[in-house]
Amino acid sequence: GESVGLHLPTLSVQEGDNSIINCAYSNSASDYFIWYKQESGKGPQFIIDIRSNMDKRQGQRVTVLLNKTVKHLSLQIAATQPGDSAVYFCAEKWSGGSNYKLTFGKGTLLTVNP
Amino acid sequence: DTAVSQTPKYLVTQMGNDKSIKCEQNLGHDTMYWYKQDSKKFLKIMFSYNNKELIINETVPNRFSPKSPDKAHLNLHINSLELGDSAVYFCASSRSGWGETQYFGPGTRLLVL
Repeated sequence: GESVGLHLPTLSVQEGDNSIINCAYSNSASDYFIWYKQESGKGPQFIIDIRSNMDKRQGQRVTVLLNKTVKHLSLQIAATQPGDSAVYFCAEKWSGGSNYKLTFGKGTLLTVNP
Repeated sequence: DTAVSQTPKYLVTQMGNDKSIKCEQNLGHDTMYWYKQDSKKFLKIMFSYNNKELIINETVPNRFSPKSPDKAHLNLHINSLELGDSAVYFCASSRSGWGETQYFGPGTRLLVL
């Protein structure tokens, strides 16, 4: 079964606000995590990744936080824009399994209101 | 310029037919994947190939047969299509399998009538 899940299936924010998308994972052996963004009618697009030896990583307007104690991953988007509206997936790879396999969470739909 | 491309983008067919979806990547990656995304947007890996060798086969019905003629191509052939095969199929590639980022194609929307 899937070990990655999301607390909220939908998130609606106002343009300019910060967004936080959460993801819970159950496999403590996971060592690599990725956030993907999927716009309507397109394939998932890489946003940011983090390895288990880190607890925070920042990109352009995005930050990923990893809390291994509670097996929680979050994606923070600063100054959310209408173009950020999409479904966001977290994915994990666990060190004990196939290194080629990512397990995806269920996805969160982010809607940005102008 | 497209990194991972798939054809066709849309595929509408009758139950019982056989169809193929093609995928090509020009990134020089060694590993390629097929995923199925259902109507609830859930993404599930089906197959993975590394340098033309099958690495992952996630208990997919044997009506689905991947073929990798070279490491830049991974095609998916589906026999005896069923209604439940309707989904979006994504191809992806990564430089290797060792914790590398996977890059996805635009998807093939398959509708079985």
